[in-house]
Amino acid sequence: DAEITQSPRHKITETGRQVTLACHQTWNHNNMFWYRQDLGHGLRLIHYSYGVQDTNKGEVSDGYSVSRSNTEDLPLTLESAASSQTSVYFCASSGGQNTGELFFGEGSRLTVL
Amino acid sequence: AQTVTQSQPEMSVQEAETVTLSCTYDTSENNYYLFWYKQPPSRQMILVIRQEAYKQQNATENRFSVNFQKAAKSFSLKISDSQLGDTAMYFCAFMKHMNSGNTPLVFGKGTRLSVIA
Repeated sequence: DAEITQSPRHKITETGRQVTLACHQTWNHNNMFWYRQDLGHGLRLIHYSYGVQDTNKGEVSDGYSVSRSNTEDLPLTLESAASSQTSVYFCASSGGQNTGELFFGEGSRLTVL
Repeated sequence: AQTVTQSQPEMSVQEAETVTLSCTYDTSENNYYLFWYKQPPSRQMILVIRQEAYKQQNATENRFSVNFQKAAKSFSLKISDSQLGDTAMYFCAFMKHMNSGNTPLVFGKGTRLSVIA
């Protein structure tokens, strides 16, 4: 079955370190998204991509970057991790223009000490 | 920018009873979709129900139904015959539809629902 996977599922890092969260989907979806989930804020959009070589900033993109070199992967990089980036990160993908349904990964919990 | 408001941070309901979760949104668009997603303790995000704005008929999925009031920009979720497995965080979400593709989903802050035995 097609799926979307995130790794690592849990990570603890130190302030100032570079961190990359991986996201891989096997649906061949063009659209991929990264959200962060924080208590009291719901899910907020970080970055998204509508296809290879396409990337766009979301609502809370400062301190994050993404790259899309193929259809399957959209890694999220924190260039210099900050304590404010402690959160649960969700990757999602969608394929059809008409349904709009997102398929989510299981989330990655990141703790920045 | 579109905003989605869920005014009930937490709710509880007795098993087998009915509960309604509220959602309002703000947009100047006419062509859009609305969603309810469920996030149980496992953290997995699960689509519950979807509504196209151009459809007047309210969407239903088994025990889940919506009350879509386009003029009032309201999109509430009704859960009938509540079950313990309905305990979860529920997110309302908005997406603008364009011919060139859809915009990313905008989520509300969520409502935590507890079903009590």
